[in-house]
Amino acid sequence: GQNIDQPTEMTATEGAIVQINCTYQTSGFNGLFWYQQHAGEAPTFLSYNVLDGLEEKGRFSSFLSRSKGYSYLLLKELQMKDSASYLCAPLGGGGNKLTFGTGTQLKVEL
Amino acid sequence: NAGVTQTPKFRILKIGQSMTLQCTQDMNHNYMYWYRQDPGMGLKLIYYSVGAGITDKGEVPNGYNVSRSTTEDFPLRLELAAPSQTSVYFCASTPNRDNSPLHFGNGTRLTVT
Repeated sequence: GQNIDQPTEMTATEGAIVQINCTYQTSGFNGLFWYQQHAGEAPTFLSYNVLDGLEEKGRFSSFLSRSKGYSYLLLKELQMKDSASYLCAPLGGGGNKLTFGTGTQLKVEL
Repeated sequence: NAGVTQTPKFRILKIGQSMTLQCTQDMNHNYMYWYRQDPGMGLKLIYYSVGAGITDKGEVPNGYNVSRSTTEDFPLRLELAAPSQTSVYFCASTPNRDNSPLHFGNGTRLTVT
């Protein structure tokens, strides 16, 4: 199985920067995804990391350290529309399956 | 392209009833998945398929069945619905199993009372 740990809730101010951490334990690790999910909607793809380091994509960046079983999602210049749940999902385990964490509910305030 | 289409969007079932959640994709993806998401929880994999005629169990398959007779369609069958199956169900697809992101349908909200 896979153990995934991420904070349940976070609150940040519009225009600020927020970092959402995720730690995981999985055998046969083959990359890690971050998804964004607005309330009442389906998840949408944000990023994928398979090598150590930082991947930058506009206001969103994602970091991976395979040796530490650690990833984070960095959101810059926060906007109200970034209020959503952010799901960490490592790929691996038997059969190379994708397993989702419970998600971090981010609330962006004025 | 419509992507991944799920029907119905909402359904209320009585305990013991049966129903089929429909999922179809027009992207010619080989891999298809069914997840359920309980309030405040992550997505749990119910069943998945790597191609027509091939299906396999995920984390929480009990109480469900699937079939994959065509590349496009991957219906999920609930037999003898139970309150524990009240959830939001998402169908998803990818071209392959590795680093391709999942394409999700809009979900089916099911309540069993």
